[in-house]
Amino acid sequence: SAVISQKPSRDICQRGTSLTIQCQVDSQVTMMFWYRQQPGQSLTLIATANQGSEATYESGFVIDKFPISRPNLTFSTLTVSNMSPEDSSIYLCSGRLAGETQYFGPGTRLLVL
Amino acid sequence: GQQVMQIPQYQHVQEGEDFTTYCNSSTTLSNIQWYKQRPGGHPVFLIQLVKSGEVKKQKRLTFQFGEAKKNSSLHITATQTTDVGTYFCAGRAGGSYIPTFGRGTSLIVHP
Repeated sequence: SAVISQKPSRDICQRGTSLTIQCQVDSQVTMMFWYRQQPGQSLTLIATANQGSEATYESGFVIDKFPISRPNLTFSTLTVSNMSPEDSSIYLCSGRLAGETQYFGPGTRLLVL
Repeated sequence: GQQVMQIPQYQHVQEGEDFTTYCNSSTTLSNIQWYKQRPGGHPVFLIQLVKSGEVKKQKRLTFQFGEAKKNSSLHITATQTTDVGTYFCAGRAGGSYIPTFGRGTSLIVHP
């Protein structure tokens, strides 16, 4: 199994600012992902974090708005840039081990005022 | 693109009643996974089904994968208040390395 930690766990931010979320995995996962989840809604994949190269973004998400880094196998960051109230959500980091089981971090609850 | 539909969106049951959530894919799946998310928590992996017609059990939970590998179900027998949460299916189609999550079924158990 894998244990995933995220920080911050929650934050309240002002419009126009940026927030960087950190994700640390205790195992060498094959893949890392970033999801967004509105309360009571399903999981929306933002991007796949690729080690040492640019992330692969899903439709509707762009690097300028959500820059992602993954300098090694167990660590990744997601930045939410130039935030607006529409960015208020829960951001979840996920790691996949061999065998395709995905483990999720506890999430970062973001409120943009 | 691949779509995964999950029904119902919500289900209220009395404690002790059974519960079932259904997942249907627009394409044939290589595998399907089920996750549970408790209120205020994060999704936790429950199980993965790979084979056509596969049935797996975990105590009171029974998971099925359809013969055509396009649908799946999760059945809970005699629900308990600890079963409260949202159950998500996530199906991965061949040729894709990323599963598509259903919208989830929120189970509310009344004592």
